[in-house]
Amino acid sequence: AQTVTQSQPEMSVQEAETVTLSCTYDTSESNYYLFWYKQPPSRQMILVIRQEAYKQQNATENRFSVNFQKAAKSFSLKISDSQLGDTAMYFCAFMKDTGANSKLTFGKGITLSVRP
Amino acid sequence: SAVISQKPSRDICQRGTSLTIQCQVDSQVTMMFWYRQQPGQSLTLIATANQGSEATYESGFVIDKFPISRPNLTFSTLTVSNMSPEDSSIYLCSVELYYGYTFGSGTRLTVV
Repeated sequence: AQTVTQSQPEMSVQEAETVTLSCTYDTSESNYYLFWYKQPPSRQMILVIRQEAYKQQNATENRFSVNFQKAAKSFSLKISDSQLGDTAMYFCAFMKDTGANSKLTFGKGITLSVRP
Repeated sequence: SAVISQKPSRDICQRGTSLTIQCQVDSQVTMMFWYRQQPGQSLTLIATANQGSEATYESGFVIDKFPISRPNLTFSTLTVSNMSPEDSSIYLCSVELYYGYTFGSGTRLTVV
């Protein structure tokens, strides 16, 4: 079974600074997908970024980028130029495959607070 | 991207009663997923619902407690039956798209 570990329960960052959220996972699969989701107080789950395991290039989406280390099974999220609207809970998630076996396994999440 | 309408957004229910949560997707999808998020916790998959077949439940979740319907490719319901305060959680539906999963806005359930 796959596991996703987010060991930091909460972090705080000053507005406009950069913060990195850590995530590790365990799997015996060679092909899979990794995600970061954001859940603000509205509780809506918002997809932040996605990484396919077969791609060596790290995914980026505007101010959000990942550091994907497949051998180390590490998938950290870097948020640059932090904004107050980034305050939310962030979940790292793993998906083994698409189709019949596809389902997300989530980490415990990390609460990020952006200070003005 | 798909849009999921989930309702109700919140409810306060008496113990022993049941609540049915609805999810409507604006496009046809093969699988729909139901998650539970207990207060301050992560998301836990309850079951996967395919149209035309019985839902597949994860360990720790049973059909008698969480019956699911999937009458067509755009709609599903989750019922929380015989509720107790321990069922107080956020319940979310989700569908898989080619770029990842998208979620409904969640139902915040409080059982008193």
